[in-house]
Amino acid sequence: KQEVTQIPAALSVPEGENLVLNCSFTDSAIYNLQWFRQDPGKGLTSLLLIQSSQREQTSGRLNASLDKSSGRSTLYIAASQPGDSATYLCAVHTGTASKLTFGTGTRLQVTL
Amino acid sequence: EPEVTQTPSHQVTQMGQEVILRCVPISNHLYFYWYRQILGQKVEFLVSFYNNEISEKSEIFDDQFSVERPDGSNFTLKIRSTKLEDSAMYFCASSGARGPGYTFGSGTRLTVV
Repeated sequence: KQEVTQIPAALSVPEGENLVLNCSFTDSAIYNLQWFRQDPGKGLTSLLLIQSSQREQTSGRLNASLDKSSGRSTLYIAASQPGDSATYLCAVHTGTASKLTFGTGTRLQVTL
Repeated sequence: EPEVTQTPSHQVTQMGQEVILRCVPISNHLYFYWYRQILGQKVEFLVSFYNNEISEKSEIFDDQFSVERPDGSNFTLKIRSTKLEDSAMYFCASSGARGPGYTFGSGTRLTVV
């Protein structure tokens, strides 16, 4: 059974700092991995999708890496801004299933 | 950009009542899903739907739950007799195939009183 863990659970940084969010998963037979952003009481916004054959994906100030063999992914946020404050969720699509398994998320606060 | 639309955004219902949550997936997508998130907890998979039938369901998706695609555009989740513990945010999602990623709706917050 796939288990997804995210650390840290919460993070507070001053504006402008670069930061790394971590995601680990137990079953390396994944189809892809997706990072989402969730604002309080809101839906899930897809940030980046990494296929199992890829090592990383970039979108603007966001860079996500994937090391399938070790069961790890990182989300790097450059030059953080207060508008980046949200919960970041990692979700894995395991190859034998048609579902996503989510981590518990990292709650990020970027302060002025 | 295409989006998944969910209605209503918030529903309050009495325990024991039936509720139907509605979703309009992205038009050319083939796979449809329901997930839920109890306040403060993980997003959990409920059910996936492909080719007009359930392709996978979780242990949460018991006989009280059902899904339907009544026409070419809507995808619904019905809870027959709601319980207090069904209170959660319910998310609909769709994907074009098992690979290119999921698009989620903004959710329906269900409150059972």
